[in-house]
Amino acid sequence: DTAVSQTPKYLVTQMGNDKSIKCEQNLGHDTMYWYKQDSKKFLKIMFSYNNKELIINETVPNRFSPKSPDKAHLNLHINSLELGDSAVYFCASSQEAGAWTEAFFGQGTRLTVV
Amino acid sequence: DAKTTQPPSMDCAEGRAANLPCNHSTISGNEYVYWYRQIHSQGPQYIIHGLKNNETNEMASLIITEDRKSSTLILPHATLRDTAVYYCIVSKKAAGNKLTFGGGTRVLVKP
Repeated sequence: DTAVSQTPKYLVTQMGNDKSIKCEQNLGHDTMYWYKQDSKKFLKIMFSYNNKELIINETVPNRFSPKSPDKAHLNLHINSLELGDSAVYFCASSQEAGAWTEAFFGQGTRLTVV
Repeated sequence: DAKTTQPPSMDCAEGRAANLPCNHSTISGNEYVYWYRQIHSQGPQYIIHGLKNNETNEMASLIITEDRKSSTLILPHATLRDTAVYYCIVSKKAAGNKLTFGGGTRVLVKP
């Protein structure tokens, strides 16, 4: 069973389109995240949700809108896609308990905007 | 969160120990040291973490200096499948437990 699963794995779309990436975790975790890995391979956090509530929003353009229908799902919707949005997007989850935590990452969604 | 400094790359012979250094001289008392790795085209994978004491698990060992300003991840018997980018991250428990990834160390295990 895949712990954190993202769909689709690959997404090619034209500039100006609106697209969504879905993420689901079956670990029972309270917290979910979206990270972006750009062409230079730097991984940066975008959003974090805890029990469906937004707790981190790292200066991401408002074209990006996360949606958490329940604590097992965190979807990422992107409006008016731009060339610079091309990247690999990783979903992750962790359990908000104790003094430390292990984050589990999905396999990534490679978004290419043409 | 404290910043970390890692060498950009290193090679290791298959079957030998790989020692990956990390400097985190501005670490504060309540910050943990985490190590993750990212194998090509996959999501990052947790390896190990520590606060003050040395730690060992089935994947690796973590040695943290007494002043906590640096640490070393040890892969005891590197295999070709250990070829990956290894990230040293310092983070305290905070809302969302944000992990701030730096450039990491690209480790190439050679036969």
